[in-house]
Amino acid sequence: SQTIHQWPATLVQPVGSPLSLECTVEGTSNPNLYWYRQAAGRGLQLLFYSVGIGQISSEVPQNLSASRPQDRQFILSSKKLLLSDSGFYLCAWNRLDSYEQYFGPGTRLTVT
Amino acid sequence: AQSVTQLGSHVSVSEGALVLLRCNYSSSVPPYLFWYVQYPNQGLQLLLKYTTGATLVKGINGFEAEFKKSETSFHLTKPSAHMSDAAEYFCAVSLTNSGYSTLTFGKGTMLLVSP
Repeated sequence: SQTIHQWPATLVQPVGSPLSLECTVEGTSNPNLYWYRQAAGRGLQLLFYSVGIGQISSEVPQNLSASRPQDRQFILSSKKLLLSDSGFYLCAWNRLDSYEQYFGPGTRLTVT
Repeated sequence: AQSVTQLGSHVSVSEGALVLLRCNYSSSVPPYLFWYVQYPNQGLQLLLKYTTGATLVKGINGFEAEFKKSETSFHLTKPSAHMSDAAEYFCAVSLTNSGYSTLTFGKGTMLLVSP
């Protein structure tokens, strides 16, 4: 069976500090990978998606970036965090031939 | 462009009562539709999905949803609410391109269940 991991689970960072969130998927190969952000009362916002190693598409221009250095690894980064980057970050995956996405447990980021 | 509207940011029911969470969508192509549930500080869990075929879809935990094309709706129901159903529920529609699909989510409905 497939599992998806995210870490860290929680993170408190000062404004202006860097960020690195990691997501890995087990039990499948060549998944599509997605990063979402969930802010209170605003639903889920798709940030990035990737259909393969090194292939990243951005949905929203901002100070975040994503990378996919390995087939089942997806990283969300920032060089300098803003207060507005606070939120719950969710990673998700799906197979090339399916439509539903499966979500990880999430990372709660608080920027102070 | 596609969009999802969930009517009511909060819905309150008594334990044992009918649960009805509303979802309307707009899509220029035949949609694939999903309901997800999220418990506090957890990821989203897929409840059920509609892709093709039967319009009444059954999911986990006794939930079901009916796709009504004429009404552009995909409402979620459960005959009898349990305390454990208290959570936030998200409706989503899929936009599919070659090789990947993206989901557009509604803003969510918080279901409150009272004893």
